[in-house]
Amino acid sequence: EAEVAQSPRYKITEKSQAVAFWCDPISGHATLYWYRQILGQGPELLVQFQDESVVDDSQLPKDRFSAERLKGVDSTLKIQPAELGDSAMYLCASSLRTSGRGQFFGPGTRLTVL
Amino acid sequence: QQQVKQSPQSLIVQKGGISIINCAYENTAFDYFPWYQQFPGKGPALLIAIRPDVSEKKEGRFTISFNKSAKQFSLHIMDSQPGDSATYFCAASKSTNAGKSTFGDGTTLTVKP
Repeated sequence: EAEVAQSPRYKITEKSQAVAFWCDPISGHATLYWYRQILGQGPELLVQFQDESVVDDSQLPKDRFSAERLKGVDSTLKIQPAELGDSAMYLCASSLRTSGRGQFFGPGTRLTVL
Repeated sequence: QQQVKQSPQSLIVQKGGISIINCAYENTAFDYFPWYQQFPGKGPALLIAIRPDVSEKKEGRFTISFNKSAKQFSLHIMDSQPGDSATYFCAASKSTNAGKSTFGDGTTLTVKP
């Protein structure tokens, strides 16, 4: 069964350092999402791509977060510099439909900022 | 302002019992209401979803009940099993942009054998 791949699964970093997360969506899925899930809460959309284009990044803290999907396949989410409040699970999801219905989530990257 | 309120925060049910999780939404523009199941260390997985043109949708042991006038919807898990123990999230969005769902804060379900 096809799955969304993410790496690393866990990342511990000190505040002010840079971190990067990688996502490989299900083959053929043109729509890709990055979410942040704080412990005890539901996921919150950070950025949505359609192919290589950003469709929605209204909730992305652009002063420190960046995301790219250069060839419209895999994607990288970067945080620089990391802050204590960035500790969370970062989830990637992809969907075949541009509507987002039927999206599949990856296992996530658990980030701890010390 | 939280637009989707989920309750209870945690739920303990005996094996074979019925688990009921409730959600309420505020934005009347929402017309797509999915439920996700999340196991520890895993991402959420879509369980079942409903549109407001029907009041109930059933898939196996899982049923969504939808009350449009009250702006509420609920998940019923019949014959709950220990393997159902997980965190459940409701969500709401416009059907044309389900990727921008507003999620509830989750319900941790424990099914005791």
